[in-house]
Amino acid sequence: DIQMTQSPSTLSASVGDRVTITCRASQRISYWLAWYQQKPGKAPNLLIYKASSLESGVPSRFSGNGFGTEFTLTIDSLQPDDFATYYCQQYSDKSYTFGQGTKLDIK
Amino acid sequence: QVQLVQSGAEVKKPGSSVRVSCKASGGTINSSTVCWVRQAPGQGLEWMGRIIPLVDITSYAQKFQGRVTITLDKSTNTAYLELNSLTPEDTAVYYCAKGSEAKDWGQGTLVTVTS
Repeated sequence: DIQMTQSPSTLSASVGDRVTITCRASQRISYWLAWYQQKPGKAPNLLIYKASSLESGVPSRFSGNGFGTEFTLTIDSLQPDDFATYYCQQYSDKSYTFGQGTKLDIK
Repeated sequence: QVQLVQSGAEVKKPGSSVRVSCKASGGTINSSTVCWVRQAPGQGLEWMGRIIPLVDITSYAQKFQGRVTITLDKSTNTAYLELNSLTPEDTAVYYCAKGSEAKDWGQGTLVTVTS
C-alpha cells in the first residue's frame, strides 16, 4: 500500500493567518489526491480533489497544489470555523490510503 | 446529493463478526465507487476497502485482507461491510462513503468489541 505522510501533525495558528499542510506519498500518484476536513464527532468533508480542484461549496480560501509525490493544502486568512483536523488521501492505487492527519488549533 | 444512512451501533464479542449497512437515498448506490473507512477512538481515518459497482470489483487494504468483505445489494440500494474475527482493536466508528473522492458520507456506525 502507498504510504502518505502529513506534516505537521499539529499546527497552532490565529484567525487571519495563512497556513500550509504538506502531504508526501511514498510513490508517485499523479494528481490523485484529496483533502478532507473533519470536526469532532462528524464525518469528514471533502475540500479538494485531484490535488487542486475545489469541491463545490468550499470557500475559496482553501487551495491545493502538487503532483507526483508532494502536495500542499493552503488555507488563506483562517476563519474560526477552520479549526479542525485535516487529512490527505491518495486514490491512485487500487488500495487507497489516508495521511495521519493534521490538527489545526487556535494559538 | 446522495444521502447515506448507516445502521445503528453494535456491541460485539471478540472473535465474532459484524455487518454494517449503508443505504442510499436520493440516488443510486451503484452510481460510483463505495468505500468504507474507519476511525478508532481519538485516532485518524483508516481506509478499509472499496467496491466498484458496475463491475462488482472489490479491493481491500492489506491490513484487512481475508477478514473483510464489501458487497452491494442493488435491489435495496444498500452497501454492506462485513468484518470477521473481531478484536477490541476493531472498536471504531465505521463510515461508508461514495466516490473515490468521497463527496458523500454516511453518519458513521460505532462498533464496540468487548468481552
